Amino acid sequence: DAKTTQPTSMDCAEGRAANLPCNHSTISGNEYVYWYRQIHSQGPQYIIHGLKNNETNEMASLIITEDRKSSTLILPHATLRDTAVYYCIGFRGSSNTGKLIFGQGTTLQVKP
Amino acid sequence: GAVVSQHPSWVICKSGTSVKIECRSLDFQATTMFWYRQFPKQSLMLMATSNEGSKATYEQGVEKDKFLINHASLTLSTLTVTSAHPEDSSFYICSAPRFGTTEAFFGQGTRLTVV
Repeated sequence: DAKTTQPTSMDCAEGRAANLPCNHSTISGNEYVYWYRQIHSQGPQYIIHGLKNNETNEMASLIITEDRKSSTLILPHATLRDTAVYYCIGFRGSSNTGKLIFGQGTTLQVKP
Repeated sequence: GAVVSQHPSWVICKSGTSVKIECRSLDFQATTMFWYRQFPKQSLMLMATSNEGSKATYEQGVEKDKFLINHASLTLSTLTVTSAHPEDSSFYICSAPRFGTTEAFFGQGTRLTVV
C-alpha cells in the first residue's frame, strides 16, 4: 500500500473550512485513498474514501488530483468536535479486508 | 450506533497476570479482524490479523506467545495479553471489515494499564 505524507499539525477557526492535504505520490492505480480520524482516546472513525473522482458525503469532501499523487480532505464548516488526528491511507482493500497501515496523521485543532 | 464493540473499555492489572480483551462485530459477521496497539502520542500500529477458524497472522516484532489471539466465531475475536508487564500498558484497538462495504469499523479501544 502507498506511503502517505501529511503535515504534523494544523489549526482551523471554528466555522471555517478545514483543508487537510495528503501526498501519496507512489499510489498505484488500484489503490483507494481513505481518510479516518481519531478523536482522543477513541477508536478511529471512517470519514470518506475515493479512487479517482472527487467524493462528498455528509461529513466531508475529498478532492483527488488528476494524477492521483495528492488529495485534500475538506471539512466544510469545522466545529470544535472536529478536533482530532486525521489519517490519510492508501489502501488496495477489497470488500472483505481492512488491513490499514496508519501513518502519523495530521492533528487538527479547531479553535473558537 | 457502534458496529464493533470492545470489552472492557479499560482495565488495570497486576504485573505477571493475563488480561483478555474482546472484540465483537455486532450486526455482521467478520471472518477477519485486526488488532492494533497505540502508545501515547503515537499512531496505531498493526499487531496481528485474526482469522476465524485458523491461526492469527502476526506482524514482525510482535510476540505471538505473549499476545494470544483467538477468533472462534464469526463475531468474536479475543486478544489475551499474557504475563503482562508495565511496558505492555497501551491502548488496544480492534477493527473488522464488513463484507459488501469498503470500510473498516473500529472498536472504541481498550486502555490497559499494568501496575
